[in-house]
Amino acid sequence: DGGITQSPKYLFRKEGQNVTLSCEQNLNHDAMYWYRQDPGQGLRLIYYSQIVNDFQKGDIAEGYSVSREKKESFPLTVTSAQKNPTAFYLCASGILETQYFGPGTRLLVL
Amino acid sequence: DAKTTQPTSMDCAEGRAANLPCNHSTISGNEYVYWYRQIHSQGPQYIIHGLKNNETNEMASLIITEDRKSSTLILPHATLRDTAVYYCVQTDSWGKLQFGAGTQVVVTP
Repeated sequence: DGGITQSPKYLFRKEGQNVTLSCEQNLNHDAMYWYRQDPGQGLRLIYYSQIVNDFQKGDIAEGYSVSREKKESFPLTVTSAQKNPTAFYLCASGILETQYFGPGTRLLVL
Repeated sequence: DAKTTQPTSMDCAEGRAANLPCNHSTISGNEYVYWYRQIHSQGPQYIIHGLKNNETNEMASLIITEDRKSSTLILPHATLRDTAVYYCVQTDSWGKLQFGAGTQVVVTP
């Protein structure tokens, strides 16, 4: 089936630890996105990539890093510099502004 | 910051039409209006988008006013599975989607 997969569904981070969230798509989309969602709020853009080996910062990129080595994959690393990482993280891929979202990863801090 | 304004919440009876309003008074001539919905703890789902003409698909209809400053998403026969947060989304000057807090729609039996 075509779609976007994210793993893991839940992730726990210890203080000072970097963690990486996986996002894979088989929709053959050039563009991919990472969003953060806090309780009761809308989505905020962290990073996006419009083509392989290229990515741009979104509105809240501090404390995060990404890579785009393959068209299908766009992993997000939450670094220790991100002081408030607890949130729901959503990956999307798309054509122009029509985006298709994965099921999300919920990150919790121990 | 989000450039659209939506009511915080609304209720709808099962089987009736749900009409979800959205104001986007700052929209420019070539910007589309997108609608997504998010069922609790899931990723958002694309519903529909439009520029100036009314649009319809298997999920919903989108009515855009002639001045393009507002629109209404219509779910023709709401079911309990339509309970979700509905986002009316506009792009920013870079073409990126700007999500607000959306409208929590609760469909009741």
